[in-house]
Amino acid sequence: EAGVAQSPRYKIIEKRQSVAFWCNPISGHATLYWYQQILGQGPKLLIQFQNNGVVDDSQLPKDRFSAERLKGVDSTLKIQPAKLEDSAVYLCASPPGSLSNTGELFFGEGSRLTVL
Amino acid sequence: QKEVEQDPGPLSVPEGAIVSLNCTYSNSAFQYFMWYRQYSRKGPELLMYTYSSGNKEDGRFTAQVDKSSKYISLFIRDSQPSDSATYLCAMKSGGYNKLIFGAGTRLAVHP
Repeated sequence: EAGVAQSPRYKIIEKRQSVAFWCNPISGHATLYWYQQILGQGPKLLIQFQNNGVVDDSQLPKDRFSAERLKGVDSTLKIQPAKLEDSAVYLCASPPGSLSNTGELFFGEGSRLTVL
Repeated sequence: QKEVEQDPGPLSVPEGAIVSLNCTYSNSAFQYFMWYRQYSRKGPELLMYTYSSGNKEDGRFTAQVDKSSKYISLFIRDSQPSDSATYLCAMKSGGYNKLIFGAGTRLAVHP
């Protein structure tokens, strides 16, 4: 069973530019999460997908962040326009079982964003 | 007040020491408690998982949950330099409610 794949690993942009991150979760798993981890902090949930639908996006800054999951597989997270405070690692995760809701998650290695 | 409080450290110990990492929380609805380990420039990986109160042991690692005190702990026995990482506590209530992470404690085990 392949792990969670993310790209790009690193991205440097200037403020007000846009950026997109891609995630391919564990094969066949319905649930997918995007987390934001600012340096020195724990991960914070941005959005949770169940198949193509959004379960929780209460902490997603919707004026600049958007996310989609096409066909219940890959997902993209976009930031437009980026702010300095968006500098963080963006982590994609999925649970070990397709219907697991215990909080056990497999994380990708993350996409590190630096906004100058 | 944050839902989950965790001392960020850093914590520096000699090889072979017993390490104690702790978190406190405020939400009595939390039922699932986890410890994740995160190496530098990597994603977190699940280390220990506990449901409700009690102890769980896995090799050199022991996780404890005391729901009455809203306090969880991770003990590492015979610590090794390879244990040097950031340890994140995380917890959630039932259903599809989100996982809440602590800020993480940086641990350095020196030879």
